[in-house]
Amino acid sequence: EIVLTQSPDTLSLSPGERATLSCRASQSVSSNSLAWYQQKPGQAPRLLIYGASSRATGTPDRFSGSGSGTDFTLTISRLEPEDFAVYYCQRHGGLPHTFGQGTRLEIK
Amino acid sequence: EVQLVESGGGLVKPGGSLRLSCAASGFTFSGAWMTWVRQAPGKGLEWVGRIKSKSDGGSTDYAAPVKGRFTVSRDDSKSTLYLQMNGLKTEDTAMYFCSTDVPYSDGAFDVWGQGTMVIVSS
Repeated sequence: EIVLTQSPDTLSLSPGERATLSCRASQSVSSNSLAWYQQKPGQAPRLLIYGASSRATGTPDRFSGSGSGTDFTLTISRLEPEDFAVYYCQRHGGLPHTFGQGTRLEIK
Repeated sequence: EVQLVESGGGLVKPGGSLRLSCAASGFTFSGAWMTWVRQAPGKGLEWVGRIKSKSDGGSTDYAAPVKGRFTVSRDDSKSTLYLQMNGLKTEDTAMYFCSTDVPYSDGAFDVWGQGTMVIVSS
C-alpha cells in the first residue's frame, strides 16, 4: 500500500505570500495519479487538482500542482484569505485511494 | 445542480449495524463510479470503499479496516448509493461522505455530499 506523507504539518503564512505544500509517496505513483483537496471546517473536501497538475472545474489559477514519481507539490501563488484551510493529497488511479495526513495552512 | 445527500447516520452500539444512503441528482448516476470516504473527529480523510458502474462491471472494493464488515451497493433506479455497516467498532466513529469521480480518473472525487455522522458507542 502506498503511504503518502505531507509536509509540513502546519504552515503559517500571510495573505499575499506564496505557499508550497509537499506530498511524498512511499512508492512511485503510477501515471502521476495524485490529487489535492482543500477542506474548511464543517465542510466536505473540495477537489483542486488531479493527475498531479490538472485543475478541477472552478479551481482558481493561483493553485498549481506539479511533480512526478514520488514527490508532488501544491503551490498557491498568492494567498487569499479564503485559502487558509487544511489540504490533503490523495492517490487515485489505483487502490487503495490513500490520503495524506493533511497540511494545515494557517494565517500568520 | 449536481448534488449528493447522505442520510442514515446516528448512534449505534459496538457490534451493531447501520445503513447509510446517498441520494444523487443532477447527473447520470448509473454511469458513475461512487465512493464512500470517512473522517473521524479531528482526523484526516480515509477512503472506505467504492462501486463501479454496472456498465463497468459493478464491482466493489474496500479498505482493509472495513473489508468483510461493510458493503457498498447501488440502486440505479433510485439514483441512490448505500453503505451497509455491520459489526461496528468504536473506531468506525466518523463523518461518512459519499462522492463521485471525475470521469476516467479512477478515484479523483469532484462531487461530495455534506456527510452523515456515525457514532459507535456503548
